[in-house]
Amino acid sequence: QQQVKQSPQSLIVQKGGISIINCAYENTAFDYFPWYQQFPGKGPALLIAIRPDVSEKKEGRFTISFNKSAKQFSLHIMDSQPGDSATYFCAASMSTGFQKLVFGTGTRLLVSP
Amino acid sequence: DTEVTQTPKHLVMGMTNKKSLKCEQHMGHRAMYWYKQKAKKPPELMFVYSYEKLSINESVPSRFSPECPNSSLLNLHLHALQPEDSALYLCASSYETRYEQYFGPGTRLTVT
Repeated sequence: QQQVKQSPQSLIVQKGGISIINCAYENTAFDYFPWYQQFPGKGPALLIAIRPDVSEKKEGRFTISFNKSAKQFSLHIMDSQPGDSATYFCAASMSTGFQKLVFGTGTRLLVSP
Repeated sequence: DTEVTQTPKHLVMGMTNKKSLKCEQHMGHRAMYWYKQKAKKPPELMFVYSYEKLSINESVPSRFSPECPNSSLLNLHLHALQPEDSALYLCASSYETRYEQYFGPGTRLTVT
């Protein structure tokens, strides 16, 4: 019940296209859902995060869509660029007590020029 | 400024060596974390410090010893490591344990 399932494992998108990464969770106590972007040899960088009181959050080309009833959330990258090529991790946690992040397995995104 | 710094960037050590990893943040965060990340895997939590006190140890072997000298610094002391301990070691911090975590660039550790 602590798992966060992430798909796809890898994704190739043409420059200018839309990249979509999906995550699903079981634990209904999760109420904080961040996405991290990680380039090779670097630490994960917090990209965008959402809480269940909204169904969508947009920051620039990055959008999180959240479906509370389906226990799913997804990251959309609009107008994908080669510089977006990285590994993306979704995560989930509870805001009560210690906020242990439960990470998805990661998606390797390659944006072709 | 959301910067967490880590030194060294790379470390190669033998199984009998003793070494330390350092992490520093000047964001006034009161929670600091150590994670271990193997290739193509998500980060795995090792330790959590909250207000300079160790609050969580995720059953990490005693050859890893954390230390929090003050609210800005976090060390990870390494002794008698195994080759399977080779990984990227990440430090993170957050305002408190229920806030967003910001990661440092990591230390790439190789145990020979």
